[in-house]
Amino acid sequence: QKEVEQNSGPLSVPEGAIASLNCTYSDRGSQSFFWYRQYSGKSPELIMFIYSNGDKEDGRFTAQLNKASQYVSLLIRDSQPSDSATYLCAVQENTGFQKLVFGTGTRLLVSP
Amino acid sequence: ETGVTQTPRHLVMGMTNKKSLKCEQHLGHNAMYWYKQSAKKPLELMFVYSLEERVENNSVPSRFSPECPNSSHLFLHLHTLQPEDSALYLCASSAKMGQAYEQYFGPGTRLTVT
Repeated sequence: QKEVEQNSGPLSVPEGAIASLNCTYSDRGSQSFFWYRQYSGKSPELIMFIYSNGDKEDGRFTAQLNKASQYVSLLIRDSQPSDSATYLCAVQENTGFQKLVFGTGTRLLVSP
Repeated sequence: ETGVTQTPRHLVMGMTNKKSLKCEQHLGHNAMYWYKQSAKKPLELMFVYSLEERVENNSVPSRFSPECPNSSHLFLHLHTLQPEDSALYLCASSAKMGQAYEQYFGPGTRLTVT
């Protein structure tokens, strides 16, 4: 069974620090990797995706992918209290309709 | 606003009731999904529709019945549910953006079965 593993947290960081969120996956054939942010009581919001090994930056967010180690991470620079949420890692299967397999999420707490 | 809307946002129903959840996407996407999100569990994919054809049914009990009349609308018909079906039900749609299929979620329907 294809799995996506995340530490449930909470990960606590002070305001202004770098938050590092990690995810491992079991299916070596996976092609695309997504990070979603979910505030309490709300639906997941797409932050960014990555499909090539290395880093991809978008504003304060950087996604990192290492397919050999089956590892994907999300760095949040200059963390703000408004970044406090659950971050979901999702791995896209290489099928005709591109299913996503989600991890359970990591709860991030950014303290002022 | 992601361009995916869901109604109702909250629903309380008894185990003998019949109700329907509605999803509409305004993004021109060609695939739509129903997910279930329960506390402490990963998002569970329930159904996938691609070009209005159901292409995935993840061993979902028959008390959940999906319907996709066109590429913009998706329904989830509910009947004789159990209390353990109480959860957040999320609709999503997707289309290919470059190398990946980006999925966007609606706001969800919080369902409580009494």
